[in-house]
Amino acid sequence: DGGITQSPKYLFRKEGQNVTLSCEQNLNHDAMYWYRQDPGQGLRLIYYSQIVNDFQKGDIAEGYSVSREKKESFPLTVTSAQKNPTAFYLCASSPQEVGTHEQYFGPGTRLTVT
Amino acid sequence: AQSVTQPDIHITVSEGASLELRCNYSYGATPYLFWYVQSPGQGLQLLLKYFSGDTLVQGIKGFEAEFKRSQSSFNLRKPSVHWSDAAEYFCAVGGAGNNRKLIWGLGTSLAVNP
Repeated sequence: DGGITQSPKYLFRKEGQNVTLSCEQNLNHDAMYWYRQDPGQGLRLIYYSQIVNDFQKGDIAEGYSVSREKKESFPLTVTSAQKNPTAFYLCASSPQEVGTHEQYFGPGTRLTVT
Repeated sequence: AQSVTQPDIHITVSEGASLELRCNYSYGATPYLFWYVQSPGQGLQLLLKYFSGDTLVQGIKGFEAEFKRSQSSFNLRKPSVHWSDAAEYFCAVGGAGNNRKLIWGLGTSLAVNP
């Protein structure tokens, strides 16, 4: 059963701690994305990767880091430098064939930092 | 500048009534257009997409959307709404080429009265 998994669904951390959110896909998609979602602000792009070992900053990359060592995996680290990390985080992937741009989403991880 | 506008932040309809959610975009090239739906605390699910061809596209769950180039619009419609359609709806636009980022609207929250 193909899809995108994000774990855990809920994550709690103390302020000042780094935390890593997991994203795995078995859709054989080349491109992967991380979004942050806050109420009333839609989806904001944090980082994206179009190929293994390469990634680019999105619109709100400060305080976040990523890696793309495997095609299937694109973990996101929320560092202590992120001033307001509490949010809902969504991972997505998309195929790279010409004419396809749709993104497929995981179930999300809700991060609460206190 | 590239942008997507969903003019209605919140809409309430009665079950069985028709629905139209508006989406206007600003994009310099031929747009690829998408509608996604998100239930509370969940990831996004693709409802339908437009790449080319027939400007009236059919999607899942009985939804359809019409691309009107002259009006830069891609409005989502459903003839008869069900209580289970209550959710957040997002419009997005992307383009041809290797830039696979999508530009997102802020979403429209749909409530359905019994």
